[in-house]
Amino acid sequence: GENVEQHPSTLSVQEGDSAVIKCTYSDSASNYFPWYKQELGKGPQLIIDIRSNVGEKKDQRIAVTLNKTAKHFSLHITETQPEDSAVYFCAASKSSGSRLTFGEGTQLTVNP
Amino acid sequence: DSGVTQTPKHLITATGQRVTLRCSPRSGDLSVYWYQQSLDQGLQFLIQYYNGEERAKGNILERFSAQQFPDLHSELNLSSLELGDSALYFCASSVVSDSGELFFGEGSRLTVL
Repeated sequence: GENVEQHPSTLSVQEGDSAVIKCTYSDSASNYFPWYKQELGKGPQLIIDIRSNVGEKKDQRIAVTLNKTAKHFSLHITETQPEDSAVYFCAASKSSGSRLTFGEGTQLTVNP
Repeated sequence: DSGVTQTPKHLITATGQRVTLRCSPRSGDLSVYWYQQSLDQGLQFLIQYYNGEERAKGNILERFSAQQFPDLHSELNLSSLELGDSALYFCASSVVSDSGELFFGEGSRLTVL
């Protein structure tokens, strides 16, 4: 089955700096790559996703890039703010009813 | 608020006991997923139901079982509980069974003493 690896497990940045989280996946048939943010005491929430026919997608301060050849994708957060502090999960899945396989998560801390 | 409701939010029980966790999906969502999140670990997929039928199975122990009812709510039954079963159990729902956004509930925190 699919295996998703995520790095780093913890990331600490100063407010205003950029943060990058990287993931690799094993199944070349995977074609959907979402990122979820989990705040303390809450369930994960989708923040951005990308499909395999697109190399990059942006939404304000958040961007995701995908390299299908290398089987890796990354989350980029620019101009970080303290409210960006949370656990971020990458995930991958195939279409046709396959469920999401999540990475282990990255604890992002943005220091004021 | 994701629209997914999980009960109970917290549950403390003893080893060997049995518990039932309940999930009400978002209105109109046919798919329900159960995930386990242990301390310092990611989200481990347990099982998926689509419109009442089991669609996919992950690393779910034989001591665990689930079902989705005609009104689309789902229950996860955990029996012969062990200390290692202590975790956050999340339910998520989506519109269709294909890949797409999952809407997660706030989880049920199970503590086995």
